[in-house]
Amino acid sequence: KAGVTQTPRYLIKTRGQQVTLSCSPISGHRSVSWYQQTPGQGLQFLFEYFSETQRNKGNFPGRFSGRQFSNSRSEMNVSTLELGDSALYLCASSLDSTTYGYTFGSGTRLTVV
Amino acid sequence: GDSVTQMEGPVTLSEEAFLTINCTYTATGYPSLFWYVQYPGEGLQLLLKATKADDKGSNKGFEATYRKETTSFHLEKGSVQVSDSAVYFCALTANTGNQFYFGTGTSLTVIP
Repeated sequence: KAGVTQTPRYLIKTRGQQVTLSCSPISGHRSVSWYQQTPGQGLQFLFEYFSETQRNKGNFPGRFSGRQFSNSRSEMNVSTLELGDSALYLCASSLDSTTYGYTFGSGTRLTVV
Repeated sequence: GDSVTQMEGPVTLSEEAFLTINCTYTATGYPSLFWYVQYPGEGLQLLLKATKADDKGSNKGFEATYRKETTSFHLEKGSVQVSDSAVYFCALTANTGNQFYFGTGTSLTVIP
């Protein structure tokens, strides 16, 4: 079956712009989470959605937002981009993360210049 | 709060050597524990998991045992291959939430 699909794979944006990243989870998975990965901070939790509701949010500024659609697809948006937002953004989906863990996509590499 | 402490890298081993990557955790309640592996340019792949104390997770020759008494989940493999070169992450999630807490990652390089 298809895995978690993230688009685009690479993005280059200018400081101050905004960006939207997309994630299509594995069919049947209703839980979708987003993580930011950087060399300095490692993997940091952004937020988790289940059936279109945000259930949990990490410690990121309000410039980071997300949403989930009725088909479980998810988007995250970052407004007013800063240089420090350059990172690999990973989306993950699960039937039940406590029991099965998450399946991750290949990520979107965002570079802010 | 919940956290994972993972052995610092990088680790370099010769092919067929024995691998141990240490992982200890702090958590309230009874977390589930995971090892993920990341190859260059890719996302994370689930390697193995254990959802309760004394469970042993295993996959592709890798093993880890959930030790509640020592709050540990060390990753082991008896004979590593060049293809095992990657970054390994230990992670936990508590029963009450869906947030994963990851260790800092351990880079493994296996040389022929």
